[in-house]
Amino acid sequence: DTGVSQDPRHKITKRGQNVTFRCDPISEHNRLYWYRQTLGQGPEFLTYFQNEAQLEKSRLLSDRFSAERPKGSFSTLEIQRTEQGDSAMYLCASSLRGGRTDTQYFGPGTRLTVL
Amino acid sequence: AQSVTQPDIHITVSEGASLELRCNYSYGATPYLFWYVQSPGQGLQLLLKYFSGDTLVQGIKGFEAEFKRSQSSFNLRKPSVHWSDAAEYFCAVGAENAGNMLTFGGGTRLMVKP
Repeated sequence: DTGVSQDPRHKITKRGQNVTFRCDPISEHNRLYWYRQTLGQGPEFLTYFQNEAQLEKSRLLSDRFSAERPKGSFSTLEIQRTEQGDSAMYLCASSLRGGRTDTQYFGPGTRLTVL
Repeated sequence: AQSVTQPDIHITVSEGASLELRCNYSYGATPYLFWYVQSPGQGLQLLLKYFSGDTLVQGIKGFEAEFKRSQSSFNLRKPSVHWSDAAEYFCAVGAENAGNMLTFGGGTRLMVKP
């Protein structure tokens, strides 16, 4: 499968715990995006990377959220001290160069449940 | 700031009937627009996109969409719906000045009656 992959697919955690999600983009895609989707809503943009550089992070929901893409390949999204309101689907997408004509290809998402 | 409105939260159509899903956008510059479909447990799949040129865009699975600048709309259509089209559909607008991030509408859930 050469699509975007995400791991884990499901995560259940207790409030206050830290969680980390991984995204593997399509090979050779330079641009990587993270979105969050809550129940009954459309995805909401969080942050994006061009290669290893994080070019926009002002839309991360709080300072408990952070993302990395250390070698310009896979990326991780970490949520510290999780809260029940963090329960959502976290989606990753990648595109070839990030140009306006590029298509963003989405992974299957990681569903987070905070108890 | 850009925004997208999908006025219909749920739509039910009979199999074989035609379909139109509405999408209205707000964006200060020339928009580029997308329709994605999401089936349960799956990621978003691109149906079609508009950047410029012909305002009638053809996509996969027999879908098409028409860009109407005067109405700020980008409605999705299909002449004959199949049971497998039941899913959630999202319209999105891309923001070139913000890394091409996508702003999505709230989605329309399509149900297909046999």
